[in-house]
Amino acid sequence: EAQLEQSGAEVKKPGQSLKISCKSSGYTFTNHWIAWVRQMPGKGLEWMGIIWPGDSDARYSPSFQGQVSFSADRSINTAYLSWTRLKASDAAMYFCARQGTGGALDIWGQGTRVIVSS
Amino acid sequence: DIQVTQSPSSLSASVGDRVTITCRTSETISNHINWFQQKAGKAPNLLIYTASSLQSGVPSRFSGSGSGTDFTLTISSLQPEDFATYYCQQNHNFPQTFGPGTKVEVK
Repeated sequence: EAQLEQSGAEVKKPGQSLKISCKSSGYTFTNHWIAWVRQMPGKGLEWMGIIWPGDSDARYSPSFQGQVSFSADRSINTAYLSWTRLKASDAAMYFCARQGTGGALDIWGQGTRVIVSS
Repeated sequence: DIQVTQSPSSLSASVGDRVTITCRTSETISNHINWFQQKAGKAPNLLIYTASSLQSGVPSRFSGSGSGTDFTLTISSLQPEDFATYYCQQNHNFPQTFGPGTKVEVK
């Protein structure tokens, strides 16, 4: 069964760096795009961008370009979302999702909550 | 970027009701629209892909239709477990934008 398992909740201060993870299992990691989706408290879903784990080709939404980075480690079937300097406005739930049949996000991680507070 | 709108933003319905949610895109996207259900505190769940294909394991009371710029998600007979928020998403172009969501509440 294909699954995505995300790392646990994080509590950080503004200005700190952070890297959260999304580990895949049950399918060939390098054969599917992985998307990252943000959901701020009480708000809707925002597509942040997508990475091809095979060669780490990444496409970012203009809203997130330069604010975050995507990466992938094929040896451990894991994708990452990272920040170099967090802001209070980065506080949100972050989901990873596999792009599957028809290009739709068919498998989702459980989400990682990021809290940014001084 | 392709803009995605949904209507209504919320609706109240009863068990057994037929529910229709509409999604409209700012440019023609063929059939590159997907529908998701999200319950509070949970990850979204794919219901429909490429406008009208039912995702494996999703009950047949869910259906999708449309092409071009106008799309609909229909729940033929609303069940208690269907009270949730529904999102459409276009994957025709980057960025693959989501609609703002439609909350289906108990009447």
